[in-house]
Amino acid sequence: ETGVTQSPTHLIKTRGQQVTLRCSSQSGHNTVSWYQQALGQGPQFIFQYYREEENGRGNFPPRFSGLQFPNYSSELNVNALELDDSALYLCASSREASYNEQFFGPGTRLTVL
Amino acid sequence: AQSVTQLDSHVSVSEGTPVLLRCNYSSSYSPSLFWYVQHPNKGLQLLLKYTSAATLVKGINGFEAEFKKSETSFHLTKPSAHMSDAAEYFCVVTTTDKLIFGTGTRLQVFP
Repeated sequence: ETGVTQSPTHLIKTRGQQVTLRCSSQSGHNTVSWYQQALGQGPQFIFQYYREEENGRGNFPPRFSGLQFPNYSSELNVNALELDDSALYLCASSREASYNEQFFGPGTRLTVL
Repeated sequence: AQSVTQLDSHVSVSEGTPVLLRCNYSSSYSPSLFWYVQHPNKGLQLLLKYTSAATLVKGINGFEAEFKKSETSFHLTKPSAHMSDAAEYFCVVTTTDKLIFGTGTRLQVFP
């Protein structure tokens, strides 16, 4: 059984640029959730995708957007990057929009200069 | 609104001694509660979960937690710490549509 994978592992961007992060869900999972973890903080929920539709969103501005594909993999897109977007971005997959059993990937470390 | 408060940002123990990581929760209804562990450069791993069944929950690697409604607490314990337990631990509560993480407790284990 393949776990949750994320790419890239590290990324450096400059302020104002756009970035796309990718996540492949665990086999058998149709739901992907994205979290932002700033340094020294707990993860903050960005949004969840279930069957290719957004299924819940945290307190993040619209420049954070996402997609889910028919194979249940997902992308997180962030436009107009700001310095405060520097963080570890975590993807988690689960079955049927469940929050009770989420499996996390290793994350993508984004640095905005 | 649901929230969790982790009462200690850092906990240090000696190998072989007990571990206690404290978490209080706030919830307007019966919550689901979790403990996750995050090792350096690794993803989050579920240690254990409480979902209104038994109040004493056993998890992986010898950890357990007790749900105490009267104290609104869900403290994580382990009888004997191992060096490999050194990591960041997060207490988590669910709402209907997301996980809410605490700020984390960094556990250091000294030989």
